Amino acid sequence: AQSVTQLGSHVSVSEGALVLLRCNYSSSVPPYLFWYVQYPNQGLQLLLKYTTGATLVKGINGFEAEFKKSETSFHLTKPSAHMSDAAEYFCAVTQGGGGGNKLTFGTGTQLKVEL
Amino acid sequence: EAGVTQFPSHSVIEKGQTVTLRCDPISGHDNLYWYRRVMGKEIKFLLHFVKESKQDESGMPNNRFLAERTGGTYSTLKVQPAELEDSGVYFCASSQDGRSWGYTFGSGTRLTVV
Repeated sequence: AQSVTQLGSHVSVSEGALVLLRCNYSSSVPPYLFWYVQYPNQGLQLLLKYTTGATLVKGINGFEAEFKKSETSFHLTKPSAHMSDAAEYFCAVTQGGGGGNKLTFGTGTQLKVEL
Repeated sequence: EAGVTQFPSHSVIEKGQTVTLRCDPISGHDNLYWYRRVMGKEIKFLLHFVKESKQDESGMPNNRFLAERTGGTYSTLKVQPAELEDSGVYFCASSQDGRSWGYTFGSGTRLTVV
């Protein structure tokens, strides 16, 4: 069984400040990990993914995440927040190795960016 | 290429009524998924089609939900009769090769049952 925990349903940062959204996962097999973003009235958009290889993954819009197996974490970061980053962010996990294609999501983190 | 299209974007119905949600996947995508987010909770998997066949329907909550994908193109998700707890956002996604990192999601249908 897989599960995802996103710590903090709401996070508020100042424009230009570091963004850190936390995600911890539980998986009995090597996981594939994802971050999705949902802007208002839009669908879920893939920000970045970790499947295999390099544990620091870079995504769109300046976001990156690091897979830390020892900590079972996949936190999302961005060095400098922009107003346009305000959205809801979802961490998700699936089984690695191509054997799974069903995503298990966290409950989401609403990011607010203030001037 | 056109994305995944869902409609209606919003639906408000009374308890006991029937609602049908539709999803048009990206052309050529054999894999189609339905997910649901109940207010404030996580997005949960409902089911997965490969062409017209149900590959995995383990997430369907009960027999009031019926999903179809006739001809392997668009899919419908019918809720009959709707209950208050069915309210939420229903997402559809499609992928060409069935690998989860190739998903494209639609913008969702917000269903409100009153």
